Amino acid sequence: EVQLVESGGGLVQPGRSLKLSCAASGFTFSNYGMAWVRQTPTKGLEWVASISTGGGNTYYRDSVKGRFTISRDNAKNTQYLQMDSLRSEDTATYYCSTNRGDYWGQGVMVTVSS
Amino acid sequence: DVVMTQTPVSLPVSLGGQASISCRSSQSLVHSNGNTYLHWYLQKPGQSPQLLIYRVSNRFSGVPDRFSGSGSGTDFTLKISRVEPEDLGDYYCLQSTHFPYTFGAGTKLELK
Repeated sequence: EVQLVESGGGLVQPGRSLKLSCAASGFTFSNYGMAWVRQTPTKGLEWVASISTGGGNTYYRDSVKGRFTISRDNAKNTQYLQMDSLRSEDTATYYCSTNRGDYWGQGVMVTVSS
Repeated sequence: DVVMTQTPVSLPVSLGGQASISCRSSQSLVHSNGNTYLHWYLQKPGQSPQLLIYRVSNRFSGVPDRFSGSGSGTDFTLKISRVEPEDLGDYYCLQSTHFPYTFGAGTKLELK
C-alpha cells in the first residue's frame, strides 16, 4: 500500500523556522519527482516546491524562494521542507505528493502566529 | 504565472446524470517536449486530493471509465458520466507545464 506520511507541523511564531518531513512507502520513491503543495480556504491549492528524482533540481514558487528549501534522502525514502522566516501567509495545510500528484499524504497543518 | 480558470464554481447533479467541468489556461499548456501537462483531481470532504486524469486524457490507475478528459492548448474538459455518490466533492485542474505549477480554483460537485 502506498503511503506518504507528513510530520513536523505545528504552531510557530512569525520569523521562526519549521521543518516538515514526508516518509514514503509502498512505491519506488527514488523514481519519482516529489513536491509540496499547500491549501488554505481562501487561496485553495497552491504548489510550493518540487524536487527531481535525484535531488539535483529544485523549483519554488516566488513567494517562498529564499525562505524554503526542499530536499530528499532516497536512502531513507523521505523528503523534507525546511521553512525559514515564516510569515502569517504561510499558514496552511501542507501536503507531500509525488510531482504529478499520483500519491498524496494526509496533510499537516502549519500555523504561523504570534 | 499561468492562470487556470475553472468553471463552474458549483455544479449540482443528479445521481446517474452527467457532469462537465471546464478548465481554461491563460497560455498554452503544450510543453516544449510536445506533452501537455494538464491533470485533474478530486478532493472528497476531509481527504487529500486524488489523481483522476493525467496529461489531459489518461485515466490514473483504478479510476473508473466514467471519468474522461479532453482538450488541447488552453481549453480542457473533465466529463463524469453516470455520477455516483462517491464522485461528490471538489474537482481541481492543475497545469505542470510551466513553473510555478498552478491549480484551478475548484468546482464543487454536489447533489441537485
